[in-house]
Amino acid sequence: SAVISQKPSRDICQRGTSLTIQCQVDSQVTMMFWYRQQPGQSLTLIATANQGSEATYESGFVIDKFPISRPNLTFSTLTVSNMSPEDSSIYLCSVTGPSDLETQYFGPGTRLLVL
Amino acid sequence: GQQLNQSPQSMFIQEGEDVSMNCTSSSIFNTWLWYKQDPGEGPVLLIALYKAGELTSNGRLTAQFGITRKDSFLNISASIPSDVGIYFCAGQADSWGKLQFGAGTQVVVTP
Repeated sequence: SAVISQKPSRDICQRGTSLTIQCQVDSQVTMMFWYRQQPGQSLTLIATANQGSEATYESGFVIDKFPISRPNLTFSTLTVSNMSPEDSSIYLCSVTGPSDLETQYFGPGTRLLVL
Repeated sequence: GQQLNQSPQSMFIQEGEDVSMNCTSSSIFNTWLWYKQDPGEGPVLLIALYKAGELTSNGRLTAQFGITRKDSFLNISASIPSDVGIYFCAGQADSWGKLQFGAGTQVVVTP
């Protein structure tokens, strides 16, 4: 399976600021996704990062709040904009493909605390 | 939307005991995945199931894809302390897609 890294691994931010999280994969993948895991909760899909086009957002998530880029087949970014304490979560990227589109592998996550 | 129920929510077991957890859905899935998440880490894939009725093992782990395609279970045999963590089931309704996660089962193993 692909090796996935995320930067930063953790951060403490002030409300009203923005943070960009990077997801880097060591090989080309087909699909990249971004998830949020609130404290003590399960994972919720934010959006599918599409290469060269706008991301596909799930209900309850919007581009203005969570802009996403995917410039190539190995890299994506998620920005958490105008942060509030409710945005304190673990943000995870995941990937599928190129050979197996049905199995998703996750990065180590970015732990965000907003004060 | 689809509802995915995972149970039990938590389990406190003694080392050496077997563990069983399951997930049920209101709709059918084409793929079931089981993950383990340790504190401070991302979820790690344990077992992937692709066909209804499929029974797959990975060491002391065994998982099955239910015949109705609406459920799956995971068994851990002869638990050891490193089995501690949160186990998540996840279902996928299409080949390109997005996963829906269960709420997780927290496993605590006591010596």
